[in-house]
Amino acid sequence: GAVVSQHPSWVICKSGTSVKIECRSLDFQATTMFWYRQFPKQSLMLMATSNEGSKATYEQGVEKDKFLINHASLTLSTLTVTSAHPEDSSFYICSAWGPQGTDTQYFGPGTRLTVL
Amino acid sequence: GQQLNQSPQSMFIQEGEDVSMNCTSSSIFNTWLWYKQDPGEGPVLLIALYKAGELTSNGRLTAQFGITRKDSFLNISASIPSDVGIYFCASPMDSNYQLIWGAGTKLIIKP
Repeated sequence: GAVVSQHPSWVICKSGTSVKIECRSLDFQATTMFWYRQFPKQSLMLMATSNEGSKATYEQGVEKDKFLINHASLTLSTLTVTSAHPEDSSFYICSAWGPQGTDTQYFGPGTRLTVL
Repeated sequence: GQQLNQSPQSMFIQEGEDVSMNCTSSSIFNTWLWYKQDPGEGPVLLIALYKAGELTSNGRLTAQFGITRKDSFLNISASIPSDVGIYFCASPMDSNYQLIWGAGTKLIIKP
């Protein structure tokens, strides 16, 4: 199946700093990627849809200036959490639709962000 | 937002038992996806269903796409310890290809 990677797998940062998370499709091109946030014991919550070469589409209640998304190539999307605060601590997961014709969505392994 | 109705919320079973969980919706979907998520990991696709009535197996896992296109079930036969985790159903909305999710079924195997 298609492979999606994320980096880093976990990060600890100080409050007020910015953190960048990368999402890559390793063996296919992804014009659209999705960023999710997951709190403990809850389902995934969609934050935004990342579109290659254009602005991301954010879900209601998600601050676009807080969570900057850049989809600069067909295999890479980045999520930058700016001026992170402890309440931003969470598990962030990206996904992408698989190669054309597969009609399934593949997920990265997730990034655990802890803001001190 | 819109969500699929997934049940049960959790299951406590003995190793070797069969497991069954399901998802329902008031809307019709053209695709049903079943994922498993282990702690600290992203969801991993188990089975994808594309056709009403379709019955698909993946090892000990079997899933079916309901005839009405409003439901799907996942069965696990002869459960083993590594089956522990949270199972999610999901389906893409045709309008924007975003996935909507069930709340998950947490599977716990009693020693």
